[in-house]
Amino acid sequence: AQSVTQLGSHVSVSEGALVLLRCNYSSSVPPYLFWYVQYPNQGLQLLLKYTSAATLVKGINGFEAEFKKSETSFHLTKPSAHMSDAAEYFCAVSDQGAQKLVFGQGTRLTINP
Amino acid sequence: GAGVSQTPSNKVTEKGKYVELRCDPISGHTALYWYRQSLGQGPEFLIYFQGTGAADDSGLPNDRFFAVRPEGSVSTLKIQRTERGDSAVYLCASSLTPGSGELFFGEGSRLTVL
Repeated sequence: AQSVTQLGSHVSVSEGALVLLRCNYSSSVPPYLFWYVQYPNQGLQLLLKYTSAATLVKGINGFEAEFKKSETSFHLTKPSAHMSDAAEYFCAVSDQGAQKLVFGQGTRLTINP
Repeated sequence: GAGVSQTPSNKVTEKGKYVELRCDPISGHTALYWYRQSLGQGPEFLIYFQGTGAADDSGLPNDRFFAVRPEGSVSTLKIQRTERGDSAVYLCASSLTPGSGELFFGEGSRLTVL
């Protein structure tokens, strides 16, 4: 069975500071990994995904994530936070058929002015 | 708009009643998914359609839950004899490329069972 653990249900950073949202996964097969974002009153949107190509994946809005097999991690980063980044972020894992995503519990990101 | 549309956005019902939730996917998307999101949790897979057929319904919690997609477009999630534990946000998503994990989600239908 696959699972995802997001460390920290709430993260708060200052505008302009580094954003780091942690995700660790468990999978018995080579995984596909995803980050989705949910802005207030909107549906979830795909930020980026890893599908066994480059281990450093770049997504929309300046976010990127690095797949580290040895650490079973897929942490999401952004060098400089903007107020518009305030949202809930979900990490997800699937097998390589990717028909069924298993989501973490989410991390709510707050940006302080 | 051109996104995934879900109706109703909010539904309040009484324990034991029957509920239908509707999803209108993005035009041309053959894959359609239902997820359920309880308070403070991530989305949980319920069922996946490829065209008109349910390709994977392993996430449906019990036989009170059923979903259809008769013409390969709009889908309806049906819940019989609702229970308080069914209260959640029900999310629908569609995808142009099944197997990519690239899902387009609607805003969800919030179900409250009193």
